[in-house]
Amino acid sequence: AQKVTQAQTEISVVEKEDVTLDCVYETRDTTYYLFWYKQPPSGELVFLIRRNSFDEQNEISGRYSWNFQKSTSSFNFTITASQVVDSAVYFCALSEHIGGADGLTFGKGTHLIIQP
Amino acid sequence: DTAVSQTPKYLVTQMGNDKSIKCEQNLGHDTMYWYKQDSKKFLKIMFSYNNKELIINETVPNRFSPKSPDKAHLNLHINSLELGDSAVYFCASSQNPRTDTQYFGPGTRLTVL
Repeated sequence: AQKVTQAQTEISVVEKEDVTLDCVYETRDTTYYLFWYKQPPSGELVFLIRRNSFDEQNEISGRYSWNFQKSTSSFNFTITASQVVDSAVYFCALSEHIGGADGLTFGKGTHLIIQP
Repeated sequence: DTAVSQTPKYLVTQMGNDKSIKCEQNLGHDTMYWYKQDSKKFLKIMFSYNNKELIINETVPNRFSPKSPDKAHLNLHINSLELGDSAVYFCASSQNPRTDTQYFGPGTRLTVL
């Protein structure tokens, strides 16, 4: 069965520090998709990025960057120069191309606290 | 324009009651989903519907039933509510169920007293 592990339950940093959120996944499939979502205190789930298993290029979007390492089954998320508005719970998720499950399998989330 | 909307945002009810949560998407997607987020923030898929056909039912009690009157709507009906049903329920939609990004509604916080 597919599985997503976010080992960091909570991270607290001071504003302007860089922070990396770890995500490790397990899958039997060669074709799969990885996602990151942000859940701010207001509660909605905001899509951040989607990456397919064939694209191992790292991605940068402003202060956000993602490092996909297929060899270690990891899809880590780094926030550079963190801001208080980055405070949220961040979820990593996995979708397989085959198999009975058509929904996303989520990690348990990392609660990121950015202190001013 | 709201892409995925849910009503109500908050729902407080007594044990044993029957309730419904509505979901609508205006993205033209073929697949819609319901997820449950428990008190520890863990998100789990409950159902997905693709072209009015149920694709997945993930060990959810049969007190929960999704109903889709058309491609843009997927409502969640819950019968005989129990204390353990208290959670936040999220609706989502995507084009392809296994490859495309799922976009989520704002969530419905259900409290069973």
